[in-house]
This record gives sequence, structure tokens and C-alpha cells, in this order.
Amino acid sequence: DGGITQSPKYLFRKEGQNVTLSCEQNLNHDAMYWYRQDPGQGLRLIYYSQIVNDFQKGDIAEGYSVSREKKESFPLTVTSAQKNPTAFYLCASRGTARQPQHFGDGTRLSIL
Amino acid sequence: QQQVKQSPQSLIVQKGGISIINCAYENTAFDYFPWYQQFPGKGPALLIAIRPDVSEKKEGRFTISFNKSAKQFSLHIMDSQPGDSATYFCAASRNSGNTPLVFGKGTRLSVIA
Repeated sequence: DGGITQSPKYLFRKEGQNVTLSCEQNLNHDAMYWYRQDPGQGLRLIYYSQIVNDFQKGDIAEGYSVSREKKESFPLTVTSAQKNPTAFYLCASRGTARQPQHFGDGTRLSIL
Repeated sequence: QQQVKQSPQSLIVQKGGISIINCAYENTAFDYFPWYQQFPGKGPALLIAIRPDVSEKKEGRFTISFNKSAKQFSLHIMDSQPGDSATYFCAASRNSGNTPLVFGKGTRLSVIA
């Protein structure tokens, strides 16, 4: 089955630690996106990539980093500079502008 | 600046009733307007989408109404069921390239028997 796989489902971060969230898609989509979801805040865009080896900052990129070395993979690193990382993180992908955006089932990140 | 404003924040509807969620946008370059449904612990799933060349689109019990001059669009859920209880997000984007969707803040719908 084609889809987007996010792992792990739950992740805990210690103070001063960087953590990486995985996002893999087998839909052959060019574009991939990372969103952060907080209660009552909707989905806020962190980073997006429209093609391999290229990515752009979204609205809340500070404290996060990404890479796009392969078409199917778009990992997100939450760095120690992100002081409030507790949230539900969603990865999405899209084939073309006229196709729908598909989401993974998210990773919930908490502070230890 | 919030580009897509969604209301209400929460909604309680009796089983069999009509649920109505509204969204307004500011950017006239937007030309794709999807609605997503999200259950707890899951990612959002596309429910229905509309482009501005039509004023209404219906899929089963779900209908999008679109008013281009008012820059507003709404989701109507007819014969609402307890299984429709979820969070609904409207979104918008431009059709050029794969520009990211801009999301509303969501509406938590509860359908009670």
C-alpha cells in the first residue's frame, strides 16, 4: 500500500538533546512538508521541500532543521534551540499542485 | 497574519442535524480549497476539495459551498452522525507549483445522539 510512514509514534526528548523524526513516503511525490500541531493552533508549517536537495523554511522554522537527500525521505531534526518542542508533528507529501496532500499519522514529541 | 480564518472553534450537533463550518481567506491568489478530517492520534485525511470555477461540490453527505466574491467557503455535513465527530480543517493554496497549504485553526465537531 502506498502511503506516508512516520516514526516513531511517540518520542521523548531530554533537555539539550537533538532528536530526529523520520518521514518516508512511497507515493513517488516530489513535494514533502512538515507541520507542527498544537491544541487550538491548527497546523503550522515548519519546512517544506519541492524537490530533492532543496527545501524552504515555513512559518516556524526556528529550532528545526531538515534534509532531503532522497525523494522518499524528509527527516526533521528538533534541535536543543527549540525551547518548546512538545507537540504533534505531521509529515505530508504531494505529487503535483492539482493533487491532494497526504499526511502521515504523526509523531508525538514530549519533554522528559 | 492568519490567511485562513475558520469558525466556529467547536461545534455540537444533534445526530441527524446539519453541521456547518465556515472559512474565510484573504489571498485572492488562492485557487484550491480542501477540507480535512482528523481523528485523535491520526493525521488529517482529505475529505473534499473545491476549485473556484464552481460554487458548490457535493460528495455524499458532505458539501462545500464557495463564494469567490466574499472570499468565503464552508463545509456542510448533512445528517450528521456520531462517527463524524472529529476535528475539521479548511485549507487553501495557490495552484502554482507545490506551494504549501495554509490551514485554518480547526473546528472540533461533536455529534451527540
